[in-house]
Amino acid sequence: NAGVTQTPKFRVLKTGQSMTLLCAQDMNHEYMYWYRQDPGMGLRLIHYSVGEGTTAKGEVPDGYNVSRLKKQNFLLGLESAAPSQTSVYFCASSYSRGGNTGELFFGEGSRLTVL
Amino acid sequence: SQQGEEDPQALSIQEGENATMNCSYKTSINNLQWYRQNSGRGLVHLILIRSNEREKHSGRLRVTLDTSKKSSSLLITASRAADTASYFCATDDDSWGKLQFGAGTQVVVTP
Repeated sequence: NAGVTQTPKFRVLKTGQSMTLLCAQDMNHEYMYWYRQDPGMGLRLIHYSVGEGTTAKGEVPDGYNVSRLKKQNFLLGLESAAPSQTSVYFCASSYSRGGNTGELFFGEGSRLTVL
Repeated sequence: SQQGEEDPQALSIQEGENATMNCSYKTSINNLQWYRQNSGRGLVHLILIRSNEREKHSGRLRVTLDTSKKSSSLLITASRAADTASYFCATDDDSWGKLQFGAGTQVVVTP
């Protein structure tokens, strides 16, 4: 039972470097999300997708790009990393019924440090 | 901006005691969900309550929802050391169809 798998789990970048976080889910969920979690701030939505080939901006999209070429995968890219992007990134997926969001299934997180 | 705000920010209790935390939100919702996060792990869904429901139970968990006050509470009865975690409420905003999370309540249960 893989659920939601995130890779890599840890990464250290230098300012200006680029990287991609990969999220894969095996539950055939339509919705996928990328959140970031910073101390004392809970989770903030970066980007989300309501289906293959579609993406939309969340609360804090600047500096990030996403792609959903396959239903099971949701990629989060940092084109030019900045220290402010040091955070723990969580991917999640969910089914949706009539526009209402169901429970989210989370990955274990990807811890990114930008020096 | 965050939709849900949990209160208290931190809670320390002994095993066997009940733990209560509250969540307030700002706009109308489709549903409200509670999640648990153990240290260094991902979030795990606990319970979902729809806007037309007032109370829901799941094992030792009891959730209430008061849409007139835009608030919810999570009660954990007979706490165990394994309940030590952060608890988050999340609201399914009527217009967005996706969840917004609060900052969480950190619960420590001591044996």
